[in-house]
This record gives sequence, C-alpha cells and structure tokens, in this order.
Amino acid sequence: QSALTQPRSVSGSPGQSVTISCTGTSSDVGKYNYVSWYQQHPGKAPKLMIYDVSERPSGVPARFSGSKSGNTASLTISGLQAEDEADYHCCSYAGSYPWVFGGGTKLTVL
Amino acid sequence: EAQLVESGGGLAQPGGSLRLSCAASGFTFSSDWMFWVRQAPGKGLVWVSRINGDGSRTTYADSVKGRFTISRDNAKSTLYLQMNSLRAEDTAVYYCTHTVTDHYYFDYWGQGTLVTVSS
Repeated sequence: QSALTQPRSVSGSPGQSVTISCTGTSSDVGKYNYVSWYQQHPGKAPKLMIYDVSERPSGVPARFSGSKSGNTASLTISGLQAEDEADYHCCSYAGSYPWVFGGGTKLTVL
Repeated sequence: EAQLVESGGGLAQPGGSLRLSCAASGFTFSSDWMFWVRQAPGKGLVWVSRINGDGSRTTYADSVKGRFTISRDNAKSTLYLQMNSLRAEDTAVYYCTHTVTDHYYFDYWGQGTLVTVSS
C-alpha cells in the first residue's frame, strides 16, 4: 500500500487561507469517507483536527475545514495564525490494509 | 481526560528485541481498538499494528509482520508491542493511539517513545 501524496511544504501570511492536498487512490481516499487530518508541532504528538473528511472534533477552531473530491482530500486553514505553523498529516482508511498516511506537509506562517 | 503514556523505547542492536508499553487511563480501555503508529526521523506517520478490545483480532503492516506482536492486558489498561528481529529501518518514534469501535480516526495519542536500532 503506497503512502498518500501531500506537498512537502506550503506557506501563507497571517490572516490568509491555505489548502493542503492529499491524493490517494480509488482503494482508499476515493473509496471511503474516512479521511482524517492531524496537526503535529515539533517534538509533539499528532493531534486530530478533522475526521470523516469534514468533521471537526470539539475544541478545534472552525478555521479548519476538510473536503474531498474523487481521490483527493483537502485541508483548508482560513485566517492563518502563527500557532498554526506545524506539520499536517492526512490519513485514510483503506479496507484490507487498514490505514494509510501521507508523507506530511510543513506549513510555514510567514 | 484520556491519557496514553508510552515507555520501553531505547537503543537496540540489529536483530535484537524491545518491548514497548502504553499505559491508558481516562476511558474504557477494554472496549476499544488500540494501535501503534511510528514515525521515522524527519518522515511521515506509518500505521504499524492494531488490536481489538478483547485482544482476539490483530493486524500488522507488511513491514513488521512476523517480527512484531501486539497485545493488551485489559486488567492493567496497558497495550504492548513486542518487537523482535529489529532492523535499522525500524528506528522511529512509536506512538500508541486509539479509536472507538466503528470509527476510523485516531483521537487519543501518547507522547511517543523513541526506538533506535544501531550497532
């Protein structure tokens, strides 16, 4: 099972919006509405930000949103803040090979 | 509040063994699936293994199948990962994580424990 494809890095200025893509296949992202996104600050554990493509856990700001089209899922962060600077990882359920992650995207807030 | 605390990481020689533990609290441990996910230095997350609530069902990534064994002790609310025949490519931070049955995301994460395989 191959990893999902994410851009290595994205950047944006405070207040702007950025979108991180996550491309899989018809066996994972395209087949299941079970894409999740995790935020990871340096040296820290991942934190769940989005689940089931577009649902936000309690406590996650509404600035974070998720979507999916075909084999590609996306995480959009609007109104960028300095504390959003982190690595973001996507993940999809994949059935027989249960879970596959992306390689991670480093978000820089300029 | 849910909490997961890993331990047992360290330096191991190629071909050696280590046993990781993950102590859980703040939720009904025996009801839920538990997982190990690892992250090599500077790399992305990789799913390693999972176990269901009563320990009767386990699954492994191809890269660790036959070498790693996941288990749990529900009386102690503790998850384990026995790692044998370690290779350099097993070097990573190992996280234990959790999901509720019939959910497909990881909501609680431990702080991770570093495993280094080197001679």
